[in-house]
Amino acid sequence: QVTLKESGPALVKPTQTLTLTCTFSGFSLSTNGMRLSWIRQPPGRALEWLARIDWDDEKFYSTSLKTRLTVSKDTSENRVVLTMTNVDPVDTATYYCARSYCNSGRCSVPFDHWGQGTLVTVSS
Amino acid sequence: DIQMTQSPSSLSASVGDRVTITCRASQSISDYLNWYQQKPGKAPNLLIYAASSLQSGVPSRFSGSGSGTDFTLTISALQPEDFATYYCQQGYTTLLTFGPGTKLDI
Repeated sequence: QVTLKESGPALVKPTQTLTLTCTFSGFSLSTNGMRLSWIRQPPGRALEWLARIDWDDEKFYSTSLKTRLTVSKDTSENRVVLTMTNVDPVDTATYYCARSYCNSGRCSVPFDHWGQGTLVTVSS
Repeated sequence: DIQMTQSPSSLSASVGDRVTITCRASQSISDYLNWYQQKPGKAPNLLIYAASSLQSGVPSRFSGSGSGTDFTLTISALQPEDFATYYCQQGYTTLLTFGPGTKLDI
C-alpha cells in the first residue's frame, strides 16, 4: 500500500526558510522510473507544481521559484525534503507531495498517489 | 513553460447530465495529459492519464480524449459524488504545469 505524508511547520514568518518533509511507504524512490513531486495550492486557488526529484537524483524546479527551492531525498529513510527560502505571505498554501511512476519512455507523469497535504501559513 | 487553460472555469449541471470539460495547451503536448478530480479539503485524485487511459478504480463514466493541444474530459452521466473541481496537467516537459481548474456544481 502506497502512502505519503507531509510534515512541517504550520506557521512561518516572512523571510524565514520553510522546510517540509514527505515521508512515504509502499515504494522505493531508488526504483527506476520513480519520481516524487511537490505541489502547492493557495486557499481557494489552483494547483501549482513546484519541484520534482527522480530515482536517479535528477531534480527539476518551477521556473518562477527555482532560485528559492531545493529538493533532496534520503532513500534509506524513505523521505524527501523541500526547502523554500525567503518565504512571503503569498506562499501561504497547502503543500502536497505526490508520486509518479513511469516504467516506459512514453509517460505523461501522472500523480497517482498523493499525501493529505499540510497547510503552511506565512505571517508575522 | 507550457501554459494550460481550461474551459469553462465553472459549470452547473444536474445528476444524469453529460458534461464535457476542455483543456488546451499553449503548444503541442502529444498525449502527455492527465486529469484529476479534487473535492474540498482533499488531495486531488487521478482520473485519466495519457489523455485517454482510465486510472484503475475510476468509474467508466469518466473518459478522456484529445492530442496535440486540445483535450476533453467527459462524464457520461453525472453522479452526486462527481460535483468537484477538475484539473488537467501536462507531463510533456520536465517543468510540469496544471490548468486553472473547472468547478462543477449542481
